[in-house]
Amino acid sequence: AQSVTQLGSHVSVSEGALVLLRCNYSSSVPPYLFWYVQYPNQGLQLLLKYTTGATLVKGINGFEAEFKKSETSFHLTKPSAHMSDAAEYFCAVAGGSYIPTFGRGTSLIVHP
Amino acid sequence: KAGVTQTPRYLIKTRGQQVTLSCSPISGHRSVSWYQQTPGQGLQFLFEYFSETQRNKGNFPGRFSGRQFSNSRSEMNVSTLELGDSALYLCASSDGGSHKETQYFGPGTRLLVL
Repeated sequence: AQSVTQLGSHVSVSEGALVLLRCNYSSSVPPYLFWYVQYPNQGLQLLLKYTTGATLVKGINGFEAEFKKSETSFHLTKPSAHMSDAAEYFCAVAGGSYIPTFGRGTSLIVHP
Repeated sequence: KAGVTQTPRYLIKTRGQQVTLSCSPISGHRSVSWYQQTPGQGLQFLFEYFSETQRNKGNFPGRFSGRQFSNSRSEMNVSTLELGDSALYLCASSDGGSHKETQYFGPGTRLLVL
């Protein structure tokens, strides 16, 4: 069985501030972890993923995430938020099934 | 490569009608998955087809069905539409051979049931 919890349905930051979106997972097997972004009226787009190897994963648009097995976490960060980062972000886990399990999503709001 | 395409993009139906949505995966991808996205329930998995066979199924009533053709294109059908079926329906494709593969999503079909 696998599951994902995204803490905070909405996160609000100022432009230029640090972005931190939290994701905790549960998996009965070594997990594969993903972050996707969804802009309004669009499908989901992969930001980054962890499969094996280095636990700090760098993705597109300056985002990165760190896999922490002891904390069962895969938090997404970006040093400096940009207005264009405003979107819905989804964390997902796979491993026990070919089908990833998605979290409920976190809406990132960026204030000027 | 062309991305995942879904048709139609928008659809309005009335209760009791049926609807068919289409998804064309990325060339070479063998797996197509369907998701329902609503504000209240989030992203919910409907089913996955791999090489024309349903490989995984979510927890949806039998009114929701799908199929995949030999060219990997997939269709999803919803019969006897209910108001609660109003949602964004997303299709995603992948090669389907590994748990660690990225799913590539289409833009979705927004269905409104009146």
